[in-house]
Amino acid sequence: GNSVTQMEGPVTLSEEAFLTINCTYTATGYPSLFWYVQYPGEGLQLLLKATKADDKGSNKGFEATYRKETTSFHLEKGSVQVSDSAVYFCALTRGDKIIFGKGTRLHILP
Amino acid sequence: DSGVTQTPKHLITATGQRVTLRCSPRSGDLSVYWYQQSLDQGLQFLIQYYNGEERAKGNILERFSAQQFPDLHSELNLSSLELGDSALYFCASSPTNGGVDEQYFGPGTRLTVT
Repeated sequence: GNSVTQMEGPVTLSEEAFLTINCTYTATGYPSLFWYVQYPGEGLQLLLKATKADDKGSNKGFEATYRKETTSFHLEKGSVQVSDSAVYFCALTRGDKIIFGKGTRLHILP
Repeated sequence: DSGVTQTPKHLITATGQRVTLRCSPRSGDLSVYWYQQSLDQGLQFLIQYYNGEERAKGNILERFSAQQFPDLHSELNLSSLELGDSALYFCASSPTNGGVDEQYFGPGTRLTVT
């Protein structure tokens, strides 16, 4: 079946550090891939998405590339800020179903 | 502001009781999704409605039910509540029936069962 696996947190980094949050997926066919972010006390909001292999999604300095050969969609940012502290969810949609990973809590120290 | 509204924001009730959570999707969105978020289970998809009809079911308990009304708002009914039902309940909407659509999440309803 379809599934999403993302690295367990929490992840703690210093401000301006490089960030990678790993996400791999299992799916039949060609899913669309998403990263959502949840700031404290809020609902989830879309961060970026990619709908086909080799697509790169980007937003707010974050990037992720849809890698079909490694079934991955890792989230990266070159220089994190304290305001990036949040929970990040990787997700895939396949037809009318959406599957979320368990979320990775990111904590950025000033 | 995502455009999705949920009421109430907080709800405290006792075990065995029944509650109703309400969601109004973004204007024009036909799909409504319900999720449960708890510390130990993460984000769990419960159920999806599209234009008034049930379209997909996730890990929804038999004690829970939902519906989407002609004006597209949705209600999630939770009955015979247990302590373990304490969680954040999110509603999300999207324009069509899944696929590549982004989902827009509401601010959630925090349910506490005592």
